Amino acid sequence: DIQMTQSPSSVSASIGDRVTITCRASQGIASWLAWYQQQPGKAPRLLIYAVSTLESGVPSRFSGSRSGTDFTLTITSLQSEDFATYYCQQTKSFPHTFGQGTKLEIK
Amino acid sequence: QVQLQESGPGLVKPSQTLSLTCTVSGDSITSGSYHWTWIRQSAGRGLEWIGRIYPTGSADYKSSLASRVTMSVDTSKNQFSLKLSSVTAADTAVYYCARASPLFYLHHWGQGTLVTVSS
Repeated sequence: DIQMTQSPSSVSASIGDRVTITCRASQGIASWLAWYQQQPGKAPRLLIYAVSTLESGVPSRFSGSRSGTDFTLTITSLQSEDFATYYCQQTKSFPHTFGQGTKLEIK
Repeated sequence: QVQLQESGPGLVKPSQTLSLTCTVSGDSITSGSYHWTWIRQSAGRGLEWIGRIYPTGSADYKSSLASRVTMSVDTSKNQFSLKLSSVTAADTAVYYCARASPLFYLHHWGQGTLVTVSS
């Protein structure tokens, strides 16, 4: 199975800050990567797919990028509703594994 | 707007079979080239992709669960289902159903249902 390793596991930030979350794949997955946001007690929500394509309705302060097998989710100008847990997922090969999650907390 | 809703017992005894159904509304389960997917989430294992099924019945399962998992589609009821046999406490989790795009991205999720395995 392809392992997806996220870092950091948690991060504290303030409203208005810029935050970067990284996901590394254990092998090449080309651009088969998605990012999800999960609020407590809710189902995950798709934010970005194919590395950098924003899902409909997702604010433009969210962006994604790739460098080799390293993928980055960037949130600029943090808003209160952005404090949540974020997961990456590869869809290159079955099983479609997720990262372990990054919890974004208010500083 | 497509909506998904999981249903099934919230408590299953060890060694028994967990059975969940996902009811799809707002679209036909046979429309488009979507993959109907099950994911679970537990504190110990985070988000875990269980498998997916296509409306034709073609399915792929996580290999470590494959001997215990069966997925099916009922197009007449616009539902798809998950069966997980010989459950243990390790199968306790919130189970989600979701609709994946042709490229397998999970655009639509159900709200999730907690299944506890306990005697």
